Amino acid sequence: AQSVTQLGSHVSVSEGALVLLRCNYSSSVPPYLFWYVQYPNQGLQLLLKYTTGATLVKGINGFEAEFKKSETSFHLTKPSAHMSDAAEYFCAVRGGATNKLIFGTGTLLAVQP
Amino acid sequence: GAGVSQTPSNKVTEKGKYVELRCDPISGHTALYWYRQSLGQGPEFLIYFQGTGAADDSGLPNDRFFAVRPEGSVSTLKIQRTERGDSAVYLCASSLSGDAAYEQYFGPGTRLTVT
Repeated sequence: AQSVTQLGSHVSVSEGALVLLRCNYSSSVPPYLFWYVQYPNQGLQLLLKYTTGATLVKGINGFEAEFKKSETSFHLTKPSAHMSDAAEYFCAVRGGATNKLIFGTGTLLAVQP
Repeated sequence: GAGVSQTPSNKVTEKGKYVELRCDPISGHTALYWYRQSLGQGPEFLIYFQGTGAADDSGLPNDRFFAVRPEGSVSTLKIQRTERGDSAVYLCASSLSGDAAYEQYFGPGTRLTVT
């Protein structure tokens, strides 16, 4: 079975500071991993994904994530936070052949001026 | 192009009533998913359609929940005898088949409130 754990339901950073959002996964098969962002009253938007190949994946808005099999992690980072990054972020793993997604509980990112 | 659309955006109903939630996927997307997002939680899978058929309905919580996709495009999620615990945001997502099947595009959701 597949599952995702996001450490830290709330993260606060200063504008210009490093953003690090943590995600650990459990999967009985080679994982496909995703980060989604959800702005208030909007749907989920795909930030980036890992399927196979290069373990460092780059996404939209300057975000990137690194797949580390030995640590079963897929942490999301951005070198310099912007006020517009304030949103909720969800890590997800593919839940099997049907491609259904198994989501974590989310991390709410606040960016302080 | 147009994204996934869902109607209504908000629905308030009384306990015990029947509701229908509609999803219009991206044109050409053969796969369609329904998820439910309760307050403070991540989305939880409900049901997956490939074409007209429900290929995986393992996430439906009980037999009060049912979904259809009769022509392989628009889908309707139906909830009978609603309960206060059904209050949540219901999300729909669609994707292509084949190599891009895992990349899902989400609609804005329908916020259901059962009073």
